[in-house]
Amino acid sequence: GAVVSQHPSWVICKSGTSVKIECRSLDFQATTMFWYRQFPKQSLMLMATSNEGSKATYEQGVEKDKFLINHASLTLSTLTVTSAHPEDSSFYICSARDRFRFYEQYFGPGTRLTVT
Amino acid sequence: GQNIDQPTEMTATEGAIVQINCTYQTSGFNGLFWYQQHAGEAPTFLSYNVLDGLEEKGRFSSFLSRSKGYSYLLLKELQMKDSASYLCAVRGDLFSGGYNKLIFGAGTRLAVHP
Repeated sequence: GAVVSQHPSWVICKSGTSVKIECRSLDFQATTMFWYRQFPKQSLMLMATSNEGSKATYEQGVEKDKFLINHASLTLSTLTVTSAHPEDSSFYICSARDRFRFYEQYFGPGTRLTVT
Repeated sequence: GQNIDQPTEMTATEGAIVQINCTYQTSGFNGLFWYQQHAGEAPTFLSYNVLDGLEEKGRFSSFLSRSKGYSYLLLKELQMKDSASYLCAVRGDLFSGGYNKLIFGAGTRLAVHP
């Protein structure tokens, strides 16, 4: 149980375009989902916290107009990278918290974004 | 501020025991997690400590001392597949505004040699 999927697993896009990444909890309900970014050989940096039915909370330094987050249901959150630039190339990972298993976050497999 | 320190790299021999330390200074504390991450993959949960003491789970054990802001992950009977990065993460509390948010350390890259 407690499986989180992400789609796509990898994507290549051109500068200036937008890319949407989906995060789904497959066998549990997730009232809260988290979006992280990880650059090579670095740790995970929390970008934003996504709560079902409300606006996401962004970490300091993360542009909310550039990284659009929507958490429309208890099993789906999406991250849209708008007007992508090469410096947005990174590994994006989501995690989801089971509404009934309070202390643990389950991570998705990640999405590798390359902006050319 | 938030500060979580781990050694950058460690090496060990197959079959041996290795201890990975983590020290933290955070504005709030509501649990410490250890994750394993293989290159190009998402982290997988290893252990969780919220009270002082040792938690044992098969070949992996994790220890926490809240008064010292210190934790370690102990890996026994090392196998080649244990070569990975090990991430220490602290969860914030309600009063610090970081409730349920995980702050990650930079990770420790462990290389296990035959």
